[in-house]
Amino acid sequence: EAQVTQNPRYLITVTGKKLTVTCSQNMNHEYMSWYRQDPGLGLRQIYYSMNVEVTDKGDVPEGYKVSRKEKRNFPLILESPSPNQTSLYFCASSLGTGWNTEAFFGQGTRLTVV
Amino acid sequence: AQTVTQSQPEMSVQEAETVTLSCTYDTSESDYYLFWYKQPPSRQMILVIRQEAYKQQNATENRFSVNFQKAAKSFSLKISDSQLGDAAMYFCAYRPLMNRDDKIIFGKGTRLHILP
Repeated sequence: EAQVTQNPRYLITVTGKKLTVTCSQNMNHEYMSWYRQDPGLGLRQIYYSMNVEVTDKGDVPEGYKVSRKEKRNFPLILESPSPNQTSLYFCASSLGTGWNTEAFFGQGTRLTVV
Repeated sequence: AQTVTQSQPEMSVQEAETVTLSCTYDTSESDYYLFWYKQPPSRQMILVIRQEAYKQQNATENRFSVNFQKAAKSFSLKISDSQLGDAAMYFCAYRPLMNRDDKIIFGKGTRLHILP
């Protein structure tokens, strides 16, 4: 089954404690992205990757890091989480730009930073 | 800048009735996708319907249909015969066809309540 898998689904952590949210896709997609969802703001792109070792900032990259060492994995790293990073996070992947390149979303990760 | 606007933060509809969710967008591109996503309490993002900008015919998926007005940059979602399972947050979204960052631009969402 084609899917994007995020882990964990829920996470409560304390300010300053490094954490990683994993994302894996089994569709051999080139493109992967991370979004955060906040009430009244919709989803906003944090980082994206066009291929292995190629990543770039989205609209709200501050406080986040990513890596793309393998095509299937795109972890989101919070080196020193702060309460304003409490949010719902989504990983997405797609074959690329162009017609018939639908984006697939993971199940979401609810992060709370206290 | 490309933007998506959903002017209705919340809406309610009686079960079995029809409801229309509004969406407008702004872009200078000519080739793009438009989407409606549904987010139920499980938080999963579910693609409801999509429209390619080059297609004049409005997309339909069972009880869901859109009214795509390209010149007016309007993309509304009509849900017919509303069911309790339709209760969710709905996001309108825009995606340029050729976009280096593959970004999808989302509206702020409309929460739909279904009244039994």
